[in-house]
Amino acid sequence: AQSVTQLDSQVPVFEEAPVELRCNYSSSVSVYLFWYVQYPNQGLQLLLKYLSGSTLVKGINGFEAEFNKSQTSFHLRKPSVHISDTAEYFCAVSSPGGGADGLTFGKGTHLIIQP
Amino acid sequence: DTGVSQDPRHKITKRGQNVTFRCDPISEHNRLYWYRQTLGQGPEFLTYFQNEAQLEKSRLLSDRFSAERPKGSFSTLEIQRTEQGDSAMYLCASTERGYEQYFGPGTRLTVT
Repeated sequence: AQSVTQLDSQVPVFEEAPVELRCNYSSSVSVYLFWYVQYPNQGLQLLLKYLSGSTLVKGINGFEAEFNKSQTSFHLRKPSVHISDTAEYFCAVSSPGGGADGLTFGKGTHLIIQP
Repeated sequence: DTGVSQDPRHKITKRGQNVTFRCDPISEHNRLYWYRQTLGQGPEFLTYFQNEAQLEKSRLLSDRFSAERPKGSFSTLEIQRTEQGDSAMYLCASTERGYEQYFGPGTRLTVT
């Protein structure tokens, strides 16, 4: 079984400051890793994904994440946030090769950008 | 727009009534997923279709829930005899390659 822990339910950050949203996972097999963003009353949008290869992954809107296998972590970072980044962020894992059992999500981190 | 669409976006129903939601995936995607998201939680997997075959169901999918994808295109999720605990956002996602899932806007169900 897989599980995802997002260590912070809420992260307040001042505009133009850097931010890191933490994600740890547990799995007995190798996994694919994802970060999704959800704006109010909307579905989820994929920010970035790690499937294999380079452990530093760049995504949309200036976000990046680093896969650390030894620490089973996949933290999301942005060097300078904007008001428009205010949203709910979800870390997720899936089994390689198709994922018939879908994505397993964390509980989410609410990123609050303060002017 | 060629994204995933869901209908309706909002549904208010009384306890005990049946409801049905529809999902139209991206046209070339043969894999389709349903998730449920309650307030303050991440989405939870409900069921998975590859083409018209339902290949996986979560234990969250009680006997009151049924999903279909009759021609391998759109899918429906029906909840019979709704309960207040069914109130949630129901999300549909599709994919071609099995891992990069594209989500629809969701159907928010409120059971009164």
